Amino acid sequence: GENVEQHPSTLSVQEGDSAVIKCTYSDSASNYFPWYKQELGKRPQLIIDIRSNVGEKKDQRIAVTLNKTAKHFSLHITETQPEDSAVYFCAARPPPDSWGKLQFGAGTQVVVTP
Amino acid sequence: EAGVAQSPRYKIIEKRQSVAFWCNPISGHATLYWYQQILGQGPKLLIQFQNNGVVDDSQLPKDRFSAERLKGVDSTLKIQPAKLEDSAVYLCASSPRGNEQFFGPGTRLTVL
Repeated sequence: GENVEQHPSTLSVQEGDSAVIKCTYSDSASNYFPWYKQELGKRPQLIIDIRSNVGEKKDQRIAVTLNKTAKHFSLHITETQPEDSAVYFCAARPPPDSWGKLQFGAGTQVVVTP
Repeated sequence: EAGVAQSPRYKIIEKRQSVAFWCNPISGHATLYWYQQILGQGPKLLIQFQNNGVVDDSQLPKDRFSAERLKGVDSTLKIQPAKLEDSAVYLCASSPRGNEQFFGPGTRLTVL
């Protein structure tokens, strides 16, 4: 089955700097890659997603890039703010994709220091 | 719109006891998922329903875990008997036609 690896496990950045989280997946047929943000004690919330027919997607300060050949995708957060502190999870949807099953990475703890 | 509802929010039991969790998905969402999230890990899918039918339960420990979704709306997840390693947050999620998944607040289970 699909296997998703996520790095780094923890990331500490200064406020205003950029943060980058990388994920690799094993199944080349996976076609949907969402990113979830989970604040302490809260539910995971979708922040951005990308499909396999697109190489890059941006939404204000966050962007996701996908390299299908290398089977990796990354989350980029620019101009980080203290409220960006959370655990971020990447996920991949392996085939068959009819019902949306997701395989999650282990998560990255992001700490933004003022 | 109202989000995914789960209850209880917290549960503490002793090993070998039974426990049940309840989930009410967003109205109209056909797909419902139960995930287990152990501290420091990503959510792991236990079971996935499409309406009231099971789509995937390959990672559900069927000797102790069971789940149902009667009438294709609410769902319950049961553990009987519980083990120490079942301590985790149990997340329910729903989605319209298998796209974006909306998560509930979760039930934090502690098994002593």
